[in-house]
Amino acid sequence: NAGVTQTPKFRVLKTGQSMTLLCAQDMNHEYMYWYRQDPGMGLRLIHYSVGEGTTAKGEVPDGYNVSRLKKQNFLLGLESAAPSQTSVYFCASTLPGTGSTDTQYFGPGTRLTVL
Amino acid sequence: LAKTTQPISMDSYEGQEVNITCSHNNIATNDYITWYQQFPSQGPRFIIQGYKTKVTNEVASLFIPADRKSSTLSLPRVSLSDTAVYYCLVGDGNDYKLSFGAGTTVTVRA
Repeated sequence: NAGVTQTPKFRVLKTGQSMTLLCAQDMNHEYMYWYRQDPGMGLRLIHYSVGEGTTAKGEVPDGYNVSRLKKQNFLLGLESAAPSQTSVYFCASTLPGTGSTDTQYFGPGTRLTVL
Repeated sequence: LAKTTQPISMDSYEGQEVNITCSHNNIATNDYITWYQQFPSQGPRFIIQGYKTKVTNEVASLFIPADRKSSTLSLPRVSLSDTAVYYCLVGDGNDYKLSFGAGTTVTVRA
């Protein structure tokens, strides 16, 4: 199992450009998440999905869109990148338990710089 | 979601035991306590989870008092490679929006 993979690992954008970050998991997990982490800060939830075809907003959704067309993939889109979106983006997935364990598995991250 | 409070940073030396206490006064009956570890330039990874009393695995121990309003992550005999940020999270199996705070930065020195 590859676990959770993210593409690309690094990207530099100019203000106003668009891009899509891809997250893929091969663990048959139902839930998937996108977080951003700014320097010295904790992770903040952008959007999440509790199943194929469903998405929902997290703490900081503005400026981002997501899609979950296939269970194993969760895409994060930036339609018009801004310098404030310079951050490290982490994807995670989890197989919801029966009320106890809910361990999130994280990808390696995508480091995005917007000039 | 129950809010958690943990120290911003802790320093230690190789071979010592490190104890990080997390406060969660509003923990709900169904909530579990989970700790994650994050190394620089990597995503967080699961360390340990517990509901009450004590849980131990090959990496750490988790102590939870009877009132469950706090918990302590114990890292025995730390090494330089244990330098990382440690996050305490509280939630139940239906909390698919677990909140990561700033965590505790543990620095282990030689």
